[in-house]
Amino acid sequence: AQSVTQLGSHVSVSEGALVLLRCNYSSSVPPYLFWYVQYPNQGLQLLLKYTTGATLVKGINGFEAEFKKSETSFHLTKPSAHMSDAAEYFCAVRPSRPYTGTASKLTFGTGTRLQVTL
Amino acid sequence: DGGITQSPKYLFRKEGQNVTLSCEQNLNHDAMYWYRQDPGQGLRLIYYSQIVNDFQKGDIAEGYSVSREKKESFPLTVTSAQKNPTAFYLCASSIRDQPQHFGDGTRLSIL
Repeated sequence: AQSVTQLGSHVSVSEGALVLLRCNYSSSVPPYLFWYVQYPNQGLQLLLKYTTGATLVKGINGFEAEFKKSETSFHLTKPSAHMSDAAEYFCAVRPSRPYTGTASKLTFGTGTRLQVTL
Repeated sequence: DGGITQSPKYLFRKEGQNVTLSCEQNLNHDAMYWYRQDPGQGLRLIYYSQIVNDFQKGDIAEGYSVSREKKESFPLTVTSAQKNPTAFYLCASSIRDQPQHFGDGTRLSIL
């Protein structure tokens, strides 16, 4: 079984400041981890993913996340926030194995709404 | 361009009425999913399908039904048994071990 905890339902940063969105997971097998972004009244867009290999993962729009197994964390960061980063961000987990069939069921966190102020 | 098309974007349901949300994909993905999104609760899985003519219940299937007669299509029916249907509904698809792709959603409200 898997679960995801996103600390902080709302995060506010100034434009140009560091963005840090926290995600902790629980998984009985090695996980695959994902961050998605959602703009108002739209679907989810994949920001980045961790499957295997390098633990520091770079994504779109300057975001990156680091997989830390010892801390069961996958926090999302961006060095300098931009107004266009204001959105809701979701962390998600799925098991890396067993991979049965074609379904890749995801478990999502409850989301963090990022506000960027001038 | 390949993608997932959800229609309509906004839908209103009367009491006792069944409504059907459409989801079509041209990505040639095998698996398709339906999620419900409520404020502060993230996404919860309603149903998913791995292949044509096969589907499984997710975490909150009560009051919903689906069909998968074609690979490209996975419609969701919200029945009158679903007493709190007001939500944002998202359809997604995936292939093999790749991340899920999402449509732009349908917002369902009660008249």
